[in-house]
Amino acid sequence: DAKTTQPTSMDCAEGRAANLPCNHSTISGNEYVYWYRQIHSQGPQYIIHGLKNNETNEMASLIITEDRKSSTLILPHATLRDTAVYYCIATHNQGGKLIFGQGTELSVKP
Amino acid sequence: NAGVMQNPRHLVRRRGQEARLRCSPMKGHSHVYWYRQLPEEGLKFMVYLQKENIIDESGMPKERFSAEFPKEGPSILRIQQVVRGDSAAYFCASSPDQGGAFFGQGTRLTVV
Repeated sequence: DAKTTQPTSMDCAEGRAANLPCNHSTISGNEYVYWYRQIHSQGPQYIIHGLKNNETNEMASLIITEDRKSSTLILPHATLRDTAVYYCIATHNQGGKLIFGQGTELSVKP
Repeated sequence: NAGVMQNPRHLVRRRGQEARLRCSPMKGHSHVYWYRQLPEEGLKFMVYLQKENIIDESGMPKERFSAEFPKEGPSILRIQQVVRGDSAAYFCASSPDQGGAFFGQGTRLTVV
């Protein structure tokens, strides 16, 4: 699986959009980009995933650059409950383990 | 559709005892993964199983740890002769043949 690089931490004001970047310059053509988050030692929560097109669901949007070497997770209106560690993972979509890096610790502040 | 169910949520064992952690995957999911998270550390992959098969156990400690996913029933992570260093949160995840994995809420093991 391709290595991903994320900032260690970010702050965001409540109600504003949180934009979390991820670099995955060695991603292969059949690897997907997955995003998970872990809120204070709870089980990791699936957020969204995509291959090359932008994706949106009820939680977030995923923007993947045309060359697929980076992506951005967007939480459109961050709330205090979005404070968590966010993980970006590049992996194949057919079973297989997820390898978690250090992630980005997002702090949403009032 | 119930999520990934792990039990017990909390488990206390004395040094030298055995710990058994159970994981029931989501309906329709045939892939199960176990992860360990030591206090203040990240999630570490331990083992990947399909029904009756261990696919990847590259993250499992060489001794005292074993995992199974039988034809019937939940997946079991077994830790024999527990030591204080085994105290951690153990998370199970399951996935379908295509698509991402979904995690349970974990079992917090405390060895006293």
